[in-house]
Amino acid sequence: QSALTQPASVSGSPGQSITISCTGTSSDVGGFNYVSWYQQHPGKAPKLIIYDVSNRPSGVSNRFSGSKSGNTASLAISGLLPEDEAHYYCNSYTSSSTLVFGGGTKLTVL
Amino acid sequence: QVQLVQSGAEVKKPGASVKVSCKASGYTFTSYYIHWVRQAPGQGLEWMGIIHPRGISTTYAQKFQGRVTMTTDTSTSTVHMELSSLRSEDTAVYYCARATVTIEYYLEYWGQGTLVTVPS
Repeated sequence: QSALTQPASVSGSPGQSITISCTGTSSDVGGFNYVSWYQQHPGKAPKLIIYDVSNRPSGVSNRFSGSKSGNTASLAISGLLPEDEAHYYCNSYTSSSTLVFGGGTKLTVL
Repeated sequence: QVQLVQSGAEVKKPGASVKVSCKASGYTFTSYYIHWVRQAPGQGLEWMGIIHPRGISTTYAQKFQGRVTMTTDTSTSTVHMELSSLRSEDTAVYYCARATVTIEYYLEYWGQGTLVTVPS
């Protein structure tokens, strides 16, 4: 199972909006609505911020939103804050009943 | 509150095995699946596998099939992950993570991570 494809880096200024893509295949992202996103700050454990493609766990800011079209899922962050600077990873259930992560995207808030 | 406390850092020789433990508290242990994820230095997250809390089923990533064994001990609310035939590429932080209540595909609570070092 190959890792899902994410851009290595994205950047934005405070207050702006950005989008991170996550491309898979019909055997993972495209075949199931079990896509999730994780935020990881340096030296910390990851944090679940989106599940079921577009749902937010309790306590996660509504500035974070998720969507999916075909084999590509997307994470959008609006009103960028300095604390949003982190690595973001997508994850999907697969037809092999396993999970697969994306390679990760480093978000820089300029 | 939900807590997952992992065992301490390990240094192992190539070819050896390592067993990392993950002790859960603050919830009903037998109601939630546990995942294992690793992260090599400066690299991304890699899913290793999942275990039913009673140990009745496991699913491993193909990459680790034959080298990884996940077990549970319900008497101590502890999950173990053993990785054998270690090589330098296995140097990583290993995380356990508890799944969400509704479905086992999402990793809601994470341990603090255990660094396993395999010198080349």
